[in-house]
Amino acid sequence: QQQVKQSPQSLIVQKGGIPIINCAYENTAFDYFPWYQQFPGKGPALLIAIRPDVSEKKEGRFTISFNKSAKQFSLHIMDSQPGDSATYFCAASKDTGFQKLVFGTGTRLLVSP
Amino acid sequence: NAGVMQNPRHLVRRRGQEARLRCSPMKGHSHVYWYRQLPEEGLKFMVYLQKENIIDESGMPKERFSAEFPKEGPSILRIQQVVRGDSAAYFCASSPREGSNQPQHFGDGTRLSIL
Repeated sequence: QQQVKQSPQSLIVQKGGIPIINCAYENTAFDYFPWYQQFPGKGPALLIAIRPDVSEKKEGRFTISFNKSAKQFSLHIMDSQPGDSATYFCAASKDTGFQKLVFGTGTRLLVSP
Repeated sequence: NAGVMQNPRHLVRRRGQEARLRCSPMKGHSHVYWYRQLPEEGLKFMVYLQKENIIDESGMPKERFSAEFPKEGPSILRIQQVVRGDSAAYFCASSPREGSNQPQHFGDGTRLSIL
């Protein structure tokens, strides 16, 4: 029940394409869903986050879509660039007073020139 | 650099030795989290600390692992009598205060290798 399942494991798109990464969760107590970007040798960096009271959130070229009834959320990267090549992690936490993040297993994205 | 600082960046230990990993949170942050990342896997929560207090250590192995965040100085993750399975990247994150809407800022991790 604490798991967050992420797919696909890896993804290759051409420059300008729209990669989509999906995550699913079981625990309905989760109420905070962030996405992190990680480059090799670096720590995860927060990209964008969403709460269940909205179905979509956009920040720049990054969009989260959230489907509360299906317990699924996804990340879309518009007009993807080679510099977006990285590993992306979804995560979830519940309102316990602090963020005890449960991470997905990651998606390795390669954007070809 | 006002980010979360972790050191060392790389640490090599032989089986049975002790490993000490340090984390200095961002300026003004008094909440620290430790996560472990095994190869090709996501990060797994280990422990959450505030100054001088362990709040949640539900992700810490019961033996050989300990963490502290003293009043002065960095947070320390200590692994005694290391084994090959402890090889991983260990990440520290910090937040300014308690609250589920406080984003965590991560350091660049310590890569621990056990020979």
